[in-house]
Amino acid sequence: DIQLTQSPSTLSASVGDRVTITCWASQGVSSWLAWYQQKPGKAPKLLIYKASTLESGVPSRFSGGGSGTEFTLTISSLQPDDFATYYCQQYDSFWDTFGPGTKLEMK
Amino acid sequence: QVQLQESGPGLVKPSETLSLTCTVSGGSISGYYWSWIRQSPGKGLEWIGHIYYSGSTSYNPSLKSRVTISLDWSMNQFSLKLGSVSAADTAVYFCARPSVRPGFSSGCYDHWGKGTLVTVSS
Repeated sequence: DIQLTQSPSTLSASVGDRVTITCWASQGVSSWLAWYQQKPGKAPKLLIYKASTLESGVPSRFSGGGSGTEFTLTISSLQPDDFATYYCQQYDSFWDTFGPGTKLEMK
Repeated sequence: QVQLQESGPGLVKPSETLSLTCTVSGGSISGYYWSWIRQSPGKGLEWIGHIYYSGSTSYNPSLKSRVTISLDWSMNQFSLKLGSVSAADTAVYFCARPSVRPGFSSGCYDHWGKGTLVTVSS
């Protein structure tokens, strides 16, 4: 199966900061990668799919990039509502897999 | 707007079978894949398997020997059965609907249930 790793595992930042989370795949997944935001006690929420396409209703401060084995999620100006855990997911292979998550916490 | 809701026992004894149901409202199960995903502190988010509206299924190879996913058209529901459970199966179980890649069965998940915690303990 395709393994995903994320960096950093925890990120401390302040409102207004620009932050970037990176996801690496153990083998190429083309652009079949999604990003999710999850808050405690809630289901993950789809933010970006196909590496860089913003899901409807998601604020434009979120953006995604990359292809193959390296991908990024960038939040251009952090808002209070953005402090959460972020996961990447690949759906290139027969069964999809998720990254271990990046917890974005308030500095 | 399609909504999904999981239901089932929150406590299952070791070696018994975990059974959960996902009720789909606001839309039909026809035309789509329907998935089960679980989340535990130890293993993170893990795809369990999915069923197509036609009844065809695919399962995570690591769980395949213990998993069955089925559909109930009359109730607009799909269900998960996981046999021979152990403490390692303690997790929050989500049902979800993927938006699949053209020509494939894998996809990203744009519709999720709220999740239900299942604890395996005697």
